[in-house]
Amino acid sequence: GENVEQHPSTLSVQEGDSAVIKCTYSDSASNYFPWYKQELGKGPQLIIDIRSNVGEKKDQRIAVTLNKTAKHFSLHITETQPEDSAVYFCAASKNYKYIFGTGTRLKVLA
Amino acid sequence: NAGVTQTPKFQVLKTGQSMTLQCAQDMNHNSMYWYRQDPGMGLRLIYYSASEGTTDKGEVPNGYNVSRLNKREFSLRLESAAPSQTSVYFCASILGSSTEAFFGQGTRLTVV
Repeated sequence: GENVEQHPSTLSVQEGDSAVIKCTYSDSASNYFPWYKQELGKGPQLIIDIRSNVGEKKDQRIAVTLNKTAKHFSLHITETQPEDSAVYFCAASKNYKYIFGTGTRLKVLA
Repeated sequence: NAGVTQTPKFQVLKTGQSMTLQCAQDMNHNSMYWYRQDPGMGLRLIYYSASEGTTDKGEVPNGYNVSRLNKREFSLRLESAAPSQTSVYFCASILGSSTEAFFGQGTRLTVV
């Protein structure tokens, strides 16, 4: 079945440094790739997404890149701040089915 | 605007008991989902409903049943709870294919 692998599972960076989280998906028909941020005790919230006809998308300090050939997509956070500390999930979607990765716990050290 | 509302927020069950988790959305979304979240395993899809009147199995459907009661409501039922079903359950909804999913606040379920 469909599978999304996410790495690393935990990531610690110094405030101001960049953070990169990588995901690989198995179903080549997937066409939508959102990233979610989950803060403690809350449900995940969308922070950025990309569709299969686009290679890169940027929104202020966050960016996502997609390599369809390799079935690989990544989240980049620049100039990290303490409030970026959270769990981040990638997902791959085909039609109405959304499959999530296993999550990355990001800690930004002040 | 409430978004996606889940009830209850917390529940403790004994092994073998049954219960229904409720989910309602007020955004006129077409599709709704149930996920479970376990440490180190991310969000795993239990069941989803692409539109009113349809339901489909996800990655981990065993031990669960769902009902899409109407466009707003999508319930998840555990007929005979097991300790392996201890988890945090999230309901989500989307307007259409390849659009943002909105999540509820979650239900923390413990089966003893």
